[in-house]
Amino acid sequence: SQQGEEDPQALSIQEGENATMNCSYKTSINNLQWYRQNSGRGLVHLILIRSNEREKHSGRLRVTLDTSKKSSSLLITASRAADTASYFCATDGMTGAGNMLTFGGGTRLMVKP
Amino acid sequence: SAVISQKPSRDICQRGTSLTIQCQVDSQVTMMFWYRQQPGQSLTLIATANQGSEATYESGFVIDKFPISRPNLTFSTLTVSNMSPEDSSIYLCSAWVAGGQETQYFGPGTRLLVL
Repeated sequence: SQQGEEDPQALSIQEGENATMNCSYKTSINNLQWYRQNSGRGLVHLILIRSNEREKHSGRLRVTLDTSKKSSSLLITASRAADTASYFCATDGMTGAGNMLTFGGGTRLMVKP
Repeated sequence: SAVISQKPSRDICQRGTSLTIQCQVDSQVTMMFWYRQQPGQSLTLIATANQGSEATYESGFVIDKFPISRPNLTFSTLTVSNMSPEDSSIYLCSAWVAGGQETQYFGPGTRLLVL
């Protein structure tokens, strides 16, 4: 079953605007990862944030994590048409065999040129 | 990091037949996983492929339907048996690369259509 819920499910913006996607999860985690998927292809790892971190940056990506609210956000600044993709959060839980990821429902982002 | 390849990249199959998907990692990895992504949906873990022992299946998935092999630390196969149209999905393998940031890397996926 899915651990996380993402919102919005779909987001359409103009090139140059910022895109914010949110992810909520239910159980305690070791870390949370964000992935991008283009047109039903494989997943590309974007960024990992550990449970003891609150914010992380990578290029135009900014990820925040609030473990008290069990939520995370992914911000893409100055979006480009090439950012059009589906974005998924995935949590690495603290129970069971190590490093099984549980995925959220995903946000479909469309960036219009 | 790890580079993961899958074969075939896509296939169209008749119901009742079986398809074996191969996953190759360019380095030895401790854990490999198989996921299913149904059309328009997120990823669901099918099983963890354990080297030298039987795979560990998640709720709703059974070995008779999705037999998995893991003969060594760089290779795994997933078979989708006795296929029906409901099995039409993208199947992705992933590997956890230890040391570093515990990142899971994914293969490009196998797009399966069952007629």
